[in-house]
Amino acid sequence: EPEVTQTPSHQVTQMGQEVILRCVPISNHLYFYWYRQILGQKVEFLVSFYNNEISEKSEIFDDQFSVERPDGSNFTLKIRSTKLEDSAMYFCASSYTGRSNQHFGDGTRLSIL
Amino acid sequence: AQTVTQSQPEMSVQEAETVTLSCTYDTSESDYYLFWYKQPPSRQMILVIRQEAYKQQNATENRFSVNFQKAAKSFSLKISDSQLGDAAMYFCAYRTAYSGAGSYQLTFGKGTKLSVIP
Repeated sequence: EPEVTQTPSHQVTQMGQEVILRCVPISNHLYFYWYRQILGQKVEFLVSFYNNEISEKSEIFDDQFSVERPDGSNFTLKIRSTKLEDSAMYFCASSYTGRSNQHFGDGTRLSIL
Repeated sequence: AQTVTQSQPEMSVQEAETVTLSCTYDTSESDYYLFWYKQPPSRQMILVIRQEAYKQQNATENRFSVNFQKAAKSFSLKISDSQLGDAAMYFCAYRTAYSGAGSYQLTFGKGTKLSVIP
């Protein structure tokens, strides 16, 4: 069965550095999402992406965050200048239509030092 | 805005027994979807079961079934004949049925950690 793939599985970065988290959604999927889960807290929506543009973003998704689908297969989340509070598990998800079930990747654990 | 509440941070069940995980939600919408996701220690979230709000019949997937009470805004998950592989974090989630923005993001509860005792 096709899977959503995320790399790296664990990223350790110094505060203030830029970080890029990568996701390869399922190949025929058209809707893409990023979520994050701070340790011990609920999974929170960050941003949704469809037709090469952001369709919705949460309050968390400020100017430090950006998303891109540079080559038609990868879907990336960039954090421009990381803060300690960005430490979390980041999940990518994709779906074929907006209303079909979302498939999640394994997540990237981001640790900011 | 929609909210999802899971009031049981942790639950345990004996192998082969039945356990029910609770979830309540708040919404002003009449049409929506509800989900239970399982997150084993390997981290990937796996869809367990899905319920469309317009359907009165409760969804069932093998040993997993839900009790959907729309008026009470309650959506509990029952796991029958619990197995060791059922041990995981379980998340209840809500999704709108119609989005003018074309975004169908999930709103999650805080999760319930289920332990299965051999």
